[in-house]
Amino acid sequence: EVQLVQSGAEVKKPGDSLRISCEASGYSFTNQWIGWVRQMPGNGLEWMGLIFPRDSDVRYNPSLQGQVTISADKSINTAYLQWRSLKASDAAIYYCVRGHGLDVWGQGTVVSVSS
Amino acid sequence: DVVMTQSPLSLPVSLGQPASISCTSSQSLVHNDGDTYLNWFHQRPGQSPRRLIYKVSNRDSGVPDRFSGSGSGTDFTLKITRVEAEDVGVYYCMQGTHWPPGTFGQGTKLEI
Repeated sequence: EVQLVQSGAEVKKPGDSLRISCEASGYSFTNQWIGWVRQMPGNGLEWMGLIFPRDSDVRYNPSLQGQVTISADKSINTAYLQWRSLKASDAAIYYCVRGHGLDVWGQGTVVSVSS
Repeated sequence: DVVMTQSPLSLPVSLGQPASISCTSSQSLVHNDGDTYLNWFHQRPGQSPRRLIYKVSNRDSGVPDRFSGSGSGTDFTLKITRVEAEDVGVYYCMQGTHWPPGTFGQGTKLEI
């Protein structure tokens, strides 16, 4: 069974750094794009970016470029989403997704940012 | 970016009745490879989204056949033949032809 299991909820302060993770199983991790979708409180879905783990090719949503970093460790079948300095506006649910077609979703990671 | 526009944004439906959601893109979603990468997702309250339909009209595994997708170019439709209680939630269309970024519609909230 294909699964994406994400790390747990985070409570952070503005200016904190953060890395959340997504562990994939049940398929060949290096041969499919994997990435992230954001859902801000009460809002719709926003495509953030995808990484191809075999060669670490990353494609970002241009609107988010420079604000987050997407990476992957193919030795442990895990993708990451990272912030160097969180803002209150980064508070959201972050979903890990597989492939261009987003055919599999993780359970979501809630990120809260408040002073 | 390609803009995806859904209508209606709110869809009250009675159990057993049909429902239809429209999705329009700001440019053609036909890819150079000939395929059209238009997907539909369903998000129940408190849950992750789930893909229902890929490449316009292909149902994902386990999706009931009361769901169907159609359309071409810039105009697409998701239809439910007979709405059931478990169909409540928000439906999103998303284009994956012109990425990055993929882009979603605003969402359509289906209520019984």
